[in-house]
Parts: sequence; C-alpha cells; structure tokens
Amino acid sequence: AQTVTQSQPEMSVQEAETVTLSCTYDTSESDYYLFWYKQPPSRQMILVIRQEAYKQQNATENRFSVNFQKAAKSFSLKISDSQLGDAAMYFCAYSDNAGNNRKLIWGLGTSLAVNP
Amino acid sequence: EAQVTQNPRYLITVTGKKLTVTCSQNMNHEYMSWYRQDPGLGLRQIYYSMNVEVTDKGDVPEGYKVSRKEKRNFPLILESPSPNQTSLYFCASGYGIPSYNEQFFGPGTRLTVL
Repeated sequence: AQTVTQSQPEMSVQEAETVTLSCTYDTSESDYYLFWYKQPPSRQMILVIRQEAYKQQNATENRFSVNFQKAAKSFSLKISDSQLGDAAMYFCAYSDNAGNNRKLIWGLGTSLAVNP
Repeated sequence: EAQVTQNPRYLITVTGKKLTVTCSQNMNHEYMSWYRQDPGLGLRQIYYSMNVEVTDKGDVPEGYKVSRKEKRNFPLILESPSPNQTSLYFCASGYGIPSYNEQFFGPGTRLTVL
C-alpha cells in the first residue's frame, strides 16, 4: 500500500528566509501525482503545488518550489522569502491512477511557524 | 467563482440523532469524495463517487452513507452518529478522467457528537 511520511512535525523560519519541508513516499506505481497542500488556521485545504511523476522538471509556483527525487521517492517543498501568511500546516499528498479512485493519501503534516 | 461548499460549517449533536452534511460543487466535476481529519491520524477517505449514481467505500466508511443523485451534490449522511465520529470533515471534487488528480476542497465541517 502507498504511504506518505513527513518526518518534521514542526518547523520554524524567520520572515524573508527560506525553509524546506520534507516528504517521502512509497509506491510501486509508475504513474502518480504528488501535492503539497496548505491548511491555515481557517482549516481550509489549499493546493500549493503539484508534481506529475513522469515529469523530471521540478514544479514551481512563485515562491514555492519542489525538489522531486523519483528514485529516492522524495518530494520536498521549498518556500523562499517566507511571509507571515505562510504560517500553516503543510501536508504532502499522493495520488495515482490505479483503479478508479482518485484518493489522496496524506502525510501527517508539518506545522510551519514564521517568526517576524 | 469555482468552489466547493459545505453546510453546516459547525455542528454539535447528540448520539443517535441522524444528520446530513451537504456538499455542492459548481465545477462540473465527475469525481467527489469525503475525508475526515483527526489528530494523529491525518486525513482518511470515507466515500467517493466517480459520477452520478456511482459511489464506493473509502478507507473508513463504517457509520456513514452517501448518495450522488446529481452531479453537483454529494451529501454525507450519519444515520446514528456516535462520539467516535467527532471530527473535521472535508468534501472534495476533481476531474474523473485521469489527469492531475488534483482535488478542490470545501471549507470543512466541524462535527461534535456528544
């Protein structure tokens, strides 16, 4: 069964600095997708960035980028120029096309604090 | 505005009193799903639906029912709620065909069962 592991329950970063959140996953599938979701105190689940496994190029969305290492099954999120509004829980998630279910499999999250 | 809506946002109820949490999306998505989020357990899928009248169990379906009579709506029904169903519930929707598998989430429903 597929699993997602986030080994850092809590992280902190100074405003304007860069932070990297770690995620590893396990799967035997070759066609899959990886995501980082942000959950602020409002509890809304917001998609930050996604990566298709067949793409070697790392995804980038403004200040957010990933380091996707397919062989190592690693998918880290880098936040550059951290802002106070980046403080939230960050979840790494996995999905594949095996069967009909588009189920997202989630890590337990990393709580990110941004210090002014 | 493209969105997934859930109602109610907060609900406190008592054991055994049937309740329904509604979910609606305006993006014409085929795929819809319910998750529950619990501390230490993360998010787990309850039920999902690939299209109208097509539903199936997720990882934790016990004590829940769903229906998909219309494409936009996917209500979650608790026939006889129990305290272990106290949780934060999310409805999500996405495209049915293999694609990015990206899912869009509703704002969540905080349910407390006394």
